[in-house]
Amino acid sequence: DSGVTQTPKHLITATGQRVTLRCSPRSGDLSVYWYQQSLDQGLQFLIQYYNGEERAKGNILERFSAQQFPDLHSELNLSSLELGDSALYFCASSVAFAGELFFGEGSRLTVL
Amino acid sequence: DAKTTQPPSMDCAEGRAANLPCNHSTISGNEYVYWYRQIHSQGPQYIIHGLKNNETNEMASLIITEDRKSSTLILPHATLRDTAVYYCIVRDNSGNTPLVFGKGTRLSVIA
Repeated sequence: DSGVTQTPKHLITATGQRVTLRCSPRSGDLSVYWYQQSLDQGLQFLIQYYNGEERAKGNILERFSAQQFPDLHSELNLSSLELGDSALYFCASSVAFAGELFFGEGSRLTVL
Repeated sequence: DAKTTQPPSMDCAEGRAANLPCNHSTISGNEYVYWYRQIHSQGPQYIIHGLKNNETNEMASLIITEDRKSSTLILPHATLRDTAVYYCIVRDNSGNTPLVFGKGTRLSVIA
């Protein structure tokens, strides 16, 4: 158990819909990272927050957005969903904005 | 883009040492070598990291060459539960660069 909690574990929805994935970092960790893993793309870095502020951005689509709240939990919002958005979405946390990352077990999104 | 090169797959007999190589010939002086693994769609798991000295923990050993252009992760006594994809990643600790995963090495431990 890494201490990072992600909900929901599984989510099935339809194209065009919007979903929110939630992540609670390990106690004391200030950084939160989001990754997407689809079958043909491997683990892709989406975005990082540190203590509520966006720290780094990867290949995150404009239809996707994220934020980190004052209690340090984070949410990843995915809108206008397409079939290709079906993937595992991982959240990770770290104490600061570098160093060892601890990953959650992921949220599996299926878009039908 | 990943700055490392790893073999796509390797096999190892159970109980033997698994030696996973990684080339990072363009590594900068302030970049660390990190190893993570992912067991079948679970969240990636941190294994070990180092800058220039060899490192050992309860999971593995990391051997970094003197010129720092390559490294080897050693699992001393591989078990079936070590079957996973192993990722070698170089990253500085400034926080200005995210952890970027390449394709990794798929290690199969065989009974």
